[in-house]
Amino acid sequence: DIVMTQSPLSLSVAPGQPATISCKSSQSLLYSDGKTYLYWFLQKPGQSPQLLMYEVSSRFSGVPDRFSGSGSGTDFTLRISRVEAEDVGIYHCMQATRFPLTFGQGTRLDIK
Amino acid sequence: DVYLVESGGGLVQPGRSLTLSCRGSGFTFGDYVFSWFRQAPGKGLEWVGFIRNQALGGTSVYAPSVMGRFTFSRDDSNNIAYVEMSGLKIEDTGVYFCSLGGNGDYWGQGTLVSVSS
Repeated sequence: DIVMTQSPLSLSVAPGQPATISCKSSQSLLYSDGKTYLYWFLQKPGQSPQLLMYEVSSRFSGVPDRFSGSGSGTDFTLRISRVEAEDVGIYHCMQATRFPLTFGQGTRLDIK
Repeated sequence: DVYLVESGGGLVQPGRSLTLSCRGSGFTFGDYVFSWFRQAPGKGLEWVGFIRNQALGGTSVYAPSVMGRFTFSRDDSNNIAYVEMSGLKIEDTGVYFCSLGGNGDYWGQGTLVSVSS
């Protein structure tokens, strides 16, 4: 199985400041079709996860442009340019390049 | 708007069976793959598997941890997806989510399954 490792596991950010979350995979997530199936989800307190980013850097419908994703191969990053109060929760990365799909441990973001 | 509503969770003894349902609305149900995920209490997310739509053969893929014990099915005429869980283990305890698409595009609110004697 591909192991996904997120860091940090928690971070506290003041409103308006940037935040960066890293996700590393134990194998390259580049698929034979040329795409990289790396996803980011946000699970707000008491809610189910919601898709933020797909295929590394594509924002899902309705996701604000302060969220961006980057990376390739085994190293990926989610950036929030200016954190807002509604961004609190747990961020999960997930790979869908190889079965079984696997998740990182999650990164908890709270507001200072 | 896309809505997914899971039901069927509850308390069940180890070794017993339980079937979860996922009712969808706001989209053409038969056009989509449906995935299942779960989250043990206080833990991270785990992929359980998915069932393809009929155009892709209607076949299923399962996580190794549930293969041979869980079975996905779907009733496209009534917009419902199912997961039949048998031989339940204590480690199957958690909130089960259904999701539209193979990679978690939209999620339901989840239903709690507790496996305990």
